[in-house]
Amino acid sequence: DAGITQSPRHKVTETGTPVTLRCHQTENHRYMYWYRQDPGHGLRLIHYSYGVKDTDKGEVSDGYSVSRSKTEDFLLTLESATSSQTSVYFCAIRGVQGMGETQYFGPGTRLLVL
Amino acid sequence: AQSVTQPDIHITVSEGASLELRCNYSYGATPYLFWYVQSPGQGLQLLLKYFSGDTLVQGIKGFEAEFKRSQSSFNLRKPSVHWSDAAEYFCAVEWGTSYGKLTFGQGTILTVHP
Repeated sequence: DAGITQSPRHKVTETGTPVTLRCHQTENHRYMYWYRQDPGHGLRLIHYSYGVKDTDKGEVSDGYSVSRSKTEDFLLTLESATSSQTSVYFCAIRGVQGMGETQYFGPGTRLLVL
Repeated sequence: AQSVTQPDIHITVSEGASLELRCNYSYGATPYLFWYVQSPGQGLQLLLKYFSGDTLVQGIKGFEAEFKRSQSSFNLRKPSVHWSDAAEYFCAVEWGTSYGKLTFGQGTILTVHP
């Protein structure tokens, strides 16, 4: 167990509405990441954080923003949701667990934009 | 841009048969290499990783992978597949000095026939 929780786990929303997904970690890890998973694309990095208030864009950042005001929480916001943002969203942390230092993933959030 | 390719979208094997899943990556700085597994509706679990040293690495669940720098490959193998190995498998690469960001392949879906 990597000590990562994501909320909500499932969400249905309508096009044009704002949506915020939360990632919470309990082990004070410095690095946190948001990915989206789509069939045929694997996982693609949206944004990442390397400390409180330190964030940067990933491969597919358009339409997304993030914030990290405290170590344990990393928020992903879709300012105005579109159907193309229907996806499964995974949060990850970089930490040391059973297999040494690597990325460990949360359980995911399924988002459907109608 | 640096990329990771898993040439096989879907592989079907019989239970007890051997398995090899292919992964190739584009040239870049010294890579760190990973294989993750995802069961349906679940998050990602790390199977094994390569940072340095012995190019044949052992992982969990009886999997192993071999890093071949000359071929830019990191293929995953298992000598005898079990029905419970049916899942989707992702290869991922971290290129040095990248804040731990991972680039994933598209994934390979493994079906196991009894």
